[in-house]
Amino acid sequence: QVQLQESGPGLVKPSETLSLTCTVSNFSISSGYYWAWMRQPPGKGLEWIGSTYHSGNIDYNPSLESRVTISVDTSKNQFSLRLRSVTAADTAVYYCARRWEIVVVHDYWGQGTLVTVSS
Amino acid sequence: EIVMTQSPATLSLSPGERATLSCRASQSVSKNLAWYQRKPGQAPRLLVFGASTRATGVPARFSGSGSGTDFTLTISSLQSEDFAVYFCQQYDNWPPITFGPGTKVDIK
Repeated sequence: QVQLQESGPGLVKPSETLSLTCTVSNFSISSGYYWAWMRQPPGKGLEWIGSTYHSGNIDYNPSLESRVTISVDTSKNQFSLRLRSVTAADTAVYYCARRWEIVVVHDYWGQGTLVTVSS
Repeated sequence: EIVMTQSPATLSLSPGERATLSCRASQSVSKNLAWYQRKPGQAPRLLVFGASTRATGVPARFSGSGSGTDFTLTISSLQSEDFAVYFCQQYDNWPPITFGPGTKVDIK
């Protein structure tokens, strides 16, 4: 079964860069599919951040595009999220997921990791 | 951006009862609608895509219906493992992909 696991600091200071990695097991990122990041702030709904193909075709949420970078490391079977200039509003549970190519749904997800932005 | 809403926010039911969850889109998304289940401490699970197609391994007690702006997820007879949060997602007009805020189904 495909497994995804988010990792990274649980606490980030305001104005700094949030960096998370998603490690994929039992499936090669290079084999296909898109790889996505979502987040859920406390008390709010899920927000799609963006998704990338292994070859680098990337889509971002327009509301975050100016601060976000998603990248893939096929040698490590990982993909990553960098969110710059964070504020308290970026405090959320961050999820990574595998996304189908044509029907844009997410079939495997990580359990999520809480990132708090605070000084 | 298409805004998704869900109702009710919480649904309190007993095992064996029928659950009816609603998802509404701010504009038509045709049948490009998915449903997910999330339990505490677990990864979300894809239940339905294309408004009514069950994902692999999803029990038949879960059924999705609707098109355009109004969608329903029905759980015909609630099992203990079905008490969870359910959220919908549209993928008709994106970016961005958008999600509903979720409906919590808890034990009455």
